[in-house]
Amino acid sequence: GENVEQHPSTLSVQEGDSAVIKCTYSDSASNYFPWYKQELGKGPQLIIDIRSNVGEKKDQRIAVTLNKTAKHFSLHITETQPEDSAVYFCAASSPGTYKYIFGTGTRLKVLA
Amino acid sequence: DTGVSQNPRHKITKRGQNVTFRCDPISEHNRLYWYRQTLGQGPEFLTYFQNEAQLEKSRLLSDRFSAERPKGSFSTLEIQRTEQGDSAMYLCASSLGYPDPDTQYFGPGTRLTVL
Repeated sequence: GENVEQHPSTLSVQEGDSAVIKCTYSDSASNYFPWYKQELGKGPQLIIDIRSNVGEKKDQRIAVTLNKTAKHFSLHITETQPEDSAVYFCAASSPGTYKYIFGTGTRLKVLA
Repeated sequence: DTGVSQNPRHKITKRGQNVTFRCDPISEHNRLYWYRQTLGQGPEFLTYFQNEAQLEKSRLLSDRFSAERPKGSFSTLEIQRTEQGDSAMYLCASSLGYPDPDTQYFGPGTRLTVL
């Protein structure tokens, strides 16, 4: 069935360094890939998304890249700050299916 | 606040009791989703509404679970005869309905603990 794998499960970086989280999806029909940030006790918050008609999208310190051939997509956070510490989830969705398939999450810790 | 709201935020109940959660979506959104999230996992899809019609249900949604969206606005999720395995965060999301796939915006969730 549909599956999204996410790595690493935990990631610690020094403040100011970059962080990269990678996801792989199984359904070749997937064409929409959102990323969510979830803080303790809160719901997931959309931080960036990408559709399959582009290979990269950037929003200030956050960027997402997509490799459709390899069925990989990645989140890049530059100049990390302590407030970036949270759990990050990738997801994939296909046309007409409505539901998102989520990865298992990456706990990012930014050390001051 | 124009985001998705959920009530209650926390619910503690004893095994065998019934519980009901409410979700109020973003006002102009006609799609509404319920997901379940257990500790250390990503959200898992439960069910989806287009206006008042429930169009898809996951096999995770056993007969003890029922969801409604009677007027195409707020939605309720009821769990009957709760079991300890039902303990989880129940998330609601809403979306505009276009483009396809569209962007889902999540509420803060209801954390259920079944004793």
